[in-house]
Amino acid sequence: SQQGEEDPQALSIQEGENATMNCSYKTSINNLQWYRQNSGRGLVHLILIRSNEREKHSGRLRVTLDTSKKSSSLLITASRAADTASYFCATDGGTYKYIFGTGTRLKVLA
Amino acid sequence: NAGVTQTPKFQVLKTGQSMTLQCAQDMNHNSMYWYRQDPGMGLRLIYYSASEGTTDKGEVPNGYNVSRLNKREFSLRLESAAPSQTSVYFCASSERLGNLLTGELFFGEGSRLTVL
Repeated sequence: SQQGEEDPQALSIQEGENATMNCSYKTSINNLQWYRQNSGRGLVHLILIRSNEREKHSGRLRVTLDTSKKSSSLLITASRAADTASYFCATDGGTYKYIFGTGTRLKVLA
Repeated sequence: NAGVTQTPKFQVLKTGQSMTLQCAQDMNHNSMYWYRQDPGMGLRLIYYSASEGTTDKGEVPNGYNVSRLNKREFSLRLESAAPSQTSVYFCASSERLGNLLTGELFFGEGSRLTVL
């Protein structure tokens, strides 16, 4: 079974709005990462947050981590049509491997 | 900047045929991974190699074998392909320090495999 589960599975918003997606995971972690995948392409790393961090920012991205609830959220502010993609969280589960969630499909309407 | 290179990009096989997916990285990373991606399933880990000379099973290893040929190369072999192995396969690499993964995964562009 997969370590992470993203919520919602799909999200459609207007350009300029904020998009929030959530990730829940099952075991203790050292870090959690968010990735983006454009249709038909490989995944691209967005941001990494370590287990001792609660919030991290990168440009229009804000990630929070709540290890007590085993959950993380990714906020994209002022969304653009170019943000249309699938977004995945990945956790290391305390081992050498990363396990991915099922992803959130984001569609930003111009 | 090549990063992670996968070959082939597309392949069609008949049931029972064998093939090897090749992956090479030029970032001197210790760890390499093979994932498969099916619609609605996200990415599932098939096998990984924490360092040269070691390989371990991931979530869905049945029907696959891997070889960590050297630090750069990590191949995935399907010995007897089945329709259930129709998928998009991604290779990835990352750096590792001791027992901890230290950073991001770098992905190839994927290999699209169809088994008839």
